[in-house]
Amino acid sequence: DAKTTQPTSMDCAEGRAANLPCNHSTISGNEYVYWYRQIHSQGPQYIIHGLKNNETNEMASLIITEDRKSSTLILPHATLRDTAVYYCIAQTGANNLFFGTGTRLTVIP
Amino acid sequence: SAVISQKPSRDICQRGTSLTIQCQVDSQVTMMFWYRQQPGQSLTLIATANQGSEATYESGFVIDKFPISRPNLTFSTLTVSNMSPEDSSIYLCSVEEQLAGQEDEQFFGPGTRLTVL
Repeated sequence: DAKTTQPTSMDCAEGRAANLPCNHSTISGNEYVYWYRQIHSQGPQYIIHGLKNNETNEMASLIITEDRKSSTLILPHATLRDTAVYYCIAQTGANNLFFGTGTRLTVIP
Repeated sequence: SAVISQKPSRDICQRGTSLTIQCQVDSQVTMMFWYRQQPGQSLTLIATANQGSEATYESGFVIDKFPISRPNLTFSTLTVSNMSPEDSSIYLCSVEEQLAGQEDEQFFGPGTRLTVL
C-alpha cells in the first residue's frame, strides 16, 4: 500500500472551505484514495474515496491530481463539528486499512 | 451502512486480568476487523476476525494475547489477556460492507476505552 503524507495540523475558520492535502506519490494504478476522520473519542468515520476522478458526496469533495500523486479533501463550509483528525489512506481495497498520523483539523469560530 | 455497537464502552481493569470486548453488527457482514488505538496514536490493525476459522493476526499481535471469536456473521469478541498498563488503549471493531452501487467500505464501531492500572 502506498505511503501517504499529510500536514500534522491545520486551522480553518468556521464557514470557510477546509482544504486538506495529501501526498501519495508512490500510489499504484489500482490503489484508491480513502478519507476517514476521527472526532475525539469516537470511531473513525468514512468520508469519501476515489480512484482517479474527482468525487463529491454530501460530506465532502475529493480532488485527485491527474498524475494521482496527490489529492485534496474539501469540506465546503466547515463547522465546529468538523474538528477532527483526518486520515488519507491509499490502498487497493477497504480492508486492512493502514492509518497514518493524519491531519488534525481545528475549525475556529 | 451497518450499525456497529461495542460493549463495554469503557472499563478500568487491574493488571493480570483479562477483558472480553463484544462487537455486534445489525447486518450480516463477511469481514470484521479489530484495531487498537494507543493514547495519542493512530489506529493499528490487530487482526481480521474470520467466521468459522481462526483470526488472521497482523505482525506484532498473537492469539494468546488477543484471542478472537467470530461465531457468526454479526458478532465477534476480542479478549485482551493478562493485561498490563501498556494495553491501555481504545479498541475498535470495524466491518467491511458493500453499499449499493459502490465499492466496499469499512465502517467502525464507537470503540472500547480500556484503562489498565
